[in-house]
Amino acid sequence: GIQVEQSPPDLILQEGANSTLRCNFSDSVNNLQWFHQNPWGQLINLFYIPSGTKQNGRLSATTVATERYSLLYISSSQTTDSGVYFCAVGRAGGFKTIFGAGTRLFVKA
Amino acid sequence: GAGVSQSPSNKVTEKGKDVELRCDPISGHTALYWYRQSLGQGLEFLIYFQGNSAPDKSGLPSDRFSAERTGGSVSTLTIQRTQQEDSAVYLCASSLVLRDLNTGELFFGEGSRLTVL
Repeated sequence: GIQVEQSPPDLILQEGANSTLRCNFSDSVNNLQWFHQNPWGQLINLFYIPSGTKQNGRLSATTVATERYSLLYISSSQTTDSGVYFCAVGRAGGFKTIFGAGTRLFVKA
Repeated sequence: GAGVSQSPSNKVTEKGKDVELRCDPISGHTALYWYRQSLGQGLEFLIYFQGNSAPDKSGLPSDRFSAERTGGSVSTLTIQRTQQEDSAVYLCASSLVLRDLNTGELFFGEGSRLTVL
């Protein structure tokens, strides 16, 4: 099946710093999403981005489908950005959506 | 409803008992997904439904796990003869199916936390 790798696995930032999270996948995909799981376990939709670039406030994401990767940018990080960031992908023509292992982010005040 | 609703939010059971977890998807979403998340781990795919049918059951961990969906809406995940290793948060998501049969954006419920003593 499709493989999803996220890097880095863990990240510690000082408040105000910028960061880039990466998601590599092993096959053509028809959907790709980024989620933030907050410390209470709730999964929050960040971006639905099978291709192209999107921005929402301090967050932006880019997916280069032909090269099988996606990047999530966090600028001017805040303590509330802490949690786990997951990338999830689904193969073209299918519905099974597979999650990467996540990047655990801690933002220090 | 406005979002994906799951019940119960918490369930504590004794080893060997059966449990049922319920998911009520967003109205109009034809695709429904079940995932499992053990403490500190990622999301493990269990099963998805397109309408009432489940084309891919390969993610179910054992034959003690089963799921059904009726009326293209509510789904139930049943775990028989629970074991301690079944303890986890069980998450449900739903999505639209796009015109080209690709999967739309997944929206998750808050999960059912299962503890098997």
